[in-house]
Parts: sequence; C-alpha cells; structure tokens
Amino acid sequence: GQQVMQIPQYQHVQEGEDFTTYCNSSTTLSNIQWYKQRPGGHPVFLIQLVKSGEVKKQKRLTFQFGEAKKNSSLHITATQTTDVGTYFCAWPNTGNQFYFGTGTSLTVIP
Amino acid sequence: EAGVTQFPSHSVIEKGQTVTLRCDPISGHDNLYWYRRVMGKEIKFLLHFVKESKQDESGMPNNRFLAERTGGTYSTLKVQPAELEDSGVYFCASSQGLTQYFGPGTRLLVL
Repeated sequence: GQQVMQIPQYQHVQEGEDFTTYCNSSTTLSNIQWYKQRPGGHPVFLIQLVKSGEVKKQKRLTFQFGEAKKNSSLHITATQTTDVGTYFCAWPNTGNQFYFGTGTSLTVIP
Repeated sequence: EAGVTQFPSHSVIEKGQTVTLRCDPISGHDNLYWYRRVMGKEIKFLLHFVKESKQDESGMPNNRFLAERTGGTYSTLKVQPAELEDSGVYFCASSQGLTQYFGPGTRLLVL
C-alpha cells in the first residue's frame, strides 16, 4: 500500500531561523495538500500542489512538489513565533478522502 | 459564511458510557469527514459521507463507533460503550471540492 513518511517529527528553531518539513511517498501522488494546526486549534488548509515540480509561495512559506510527485516540502524562511504549530501533509486516497502525515511539530524559540 | 461547527467542544465520560458528537458542516458541502487525533499522533481518517451516504468507513476503529448523516446535513458520531483508548480530539471537516474545512474539534476524555 501507499506509504508516506513525514519528517522530522519535531523541530525546535530560534526565531529568525529557517524551517523545513518533508513528506516522502513510496508511490506517485496525484496531489498533495498542506495544513497547519496551531496548539489547541484545528487543521487549517494552506495549499494544494498538483503539478510535477510545482513551487508555490505564500509570503515566507514555500511549497514544493517533486518532479516525480513522490515528495513534497514546506519551507518557512525566517521563522516567527506565529509559525508555531504542527504542519501536516495530506494526500488523497480513493474517492475524495485524504490521509494525513504524522505531522511536524514546530517550536520557535524567541 | 459560517464555518464547520462541532458540539460539544469537550466531553469527559467514564468508561462504558455513551457519547454522541455532532458536526454541522458548511452549508451546501456534500462531503463530510470525521477524523481523530490521539495526543501527539497523526490525524486519522475515520469515515467519509457524500450527502447522506457513507462513501468510505474503512477508518472506523470497531463497531462501537456509529456515524450517521440523516438528510445529508449534520452528522453525529456515537461511541458506545466508550473505552479508554477512544480519548482524543475528534475533528469533522467538510468540502465541496478538494479543500477541506475543519471544525474546532471535540476533545473527548474517557476515564
């Protein structure tokens, strides 16, 4: 079956440092989504990537989808305390349902 | 536009009791999902409704869990009888396309 690994599980950075989380699949994905969950909050949709090699930016966030559509990354430049939370990738299975990665919990030290 | 709402926000029950969680999706969204996140772990898919029909319930842990979506509007998830391992945050999400909008979740603690 399809296996998607998300790493790292935890990341502590000093404010101003960069941060990256990765999702790697054993099989080709049709698309991938990224969500952010603040502590005590609920997952919030950030972006969807569909095309091979796609790169999208949202302010300090850069999202990439690999050429083979088997891996994806979320990169945050110059982290701020507001970036704290858990970042999940999610990918579609059959039908319209999505499965979520294990998440990367980001702590930003002021 | 109102978002996805869930009730209750918190529930503390004893092992063996019954709890019913409710989700009101965004109006007009045909797709409704239930997920569970146990502390520190991944968001686990439970099931998916399209309107009132169960599209996929492969993620339901066992027959102590029963989900319904009568009339294709709100949905309920009943746990009966609850066990300790059922504790976690239960999220509901709705969508009309591929973007899922999550509710605030119900935090369930089974003692």
